Amino acid sequence: AQSVTQPDIHITVSEGASLELRCNYSYGATPYLFWYVQSPGQGLQLLLKYFSGDTLVQGIKGFEAEFKRSQSSFNLRKPSVHWSDAAEYFCAVGIYTGNQFYFGTGTSLTVIP
Amino acid sequence: DTAVSQTPKYLVTQMGNDKSIKCEQNLGHDTMYWYKQDSKKFLKIMFSYNNKELIINETVPNRFSPKSPDKAHLNLHINSLELGDSAVYFCASSQFDSTGNTIYFGEGSWLTVV
Repeated sequence: AQSVTQPDIHITVSEGASLELRCNYSYGATPYLFWYVQSPGQGLQLLLKYFSGDTLVQGIKGFEAEFKRSQSSFNLRKPSVHWSDAAEYFCAVGIYTGNQFYFGTGTSLTVIP
Repeated sequence: DTAVSQTPKYLVTQMGNDKSIKCEQNLGHDTMYWYKQDSKKFLKIMFSYNNKELIINETVPNRFSPKSPDKAHLNLHINSLELGDSAVYFCASSQFDSTGNTIYFGEGSWLTVV
């Protein structure tokens, strides 16, 4: 069965520090991979996605993610975090054979001054 | 110009009432969804429709009934509301194209049952 694991429930970083949010998936083939961000009281906004090709994907707001097939991972990174990045981050997997998407349990990011 | 819009954004109602949440997408997508997000932020798929046909119906109480009058609309009706129905309900849509398949979400409907 497909699954998505975000091992870090909560992360705290200082403003200006680098950030890496982890995501691992379980699926028999290469899935579609996504990162979404949810600010308090808001919906989910697509940050970036990977379908094929270059395994390093650039997204909005200065985020990037790297797909590593050997590790079944799709970690999200940002070199310098801003206070406005404080939010909930969700990793998701979409499968080729149907309109189904599986979401991780989310990582809550706190940014301290 | 909102791609996936849902109304109302906030809804406070008493136990036992019946309520509806409406959703519309202007992306031309064939597939629409309802997700429930609980207090721990966990996202759970409830229903999925493709071209007005139900394709995913997870284990959801039959008090919840989706209706898709056309492929741009997917409404959610909830009968006999219970305290445990308090959550955020997200409508979403997706479409396969040359770049793959991406799901887009509405802003959410915050339902509080008192």
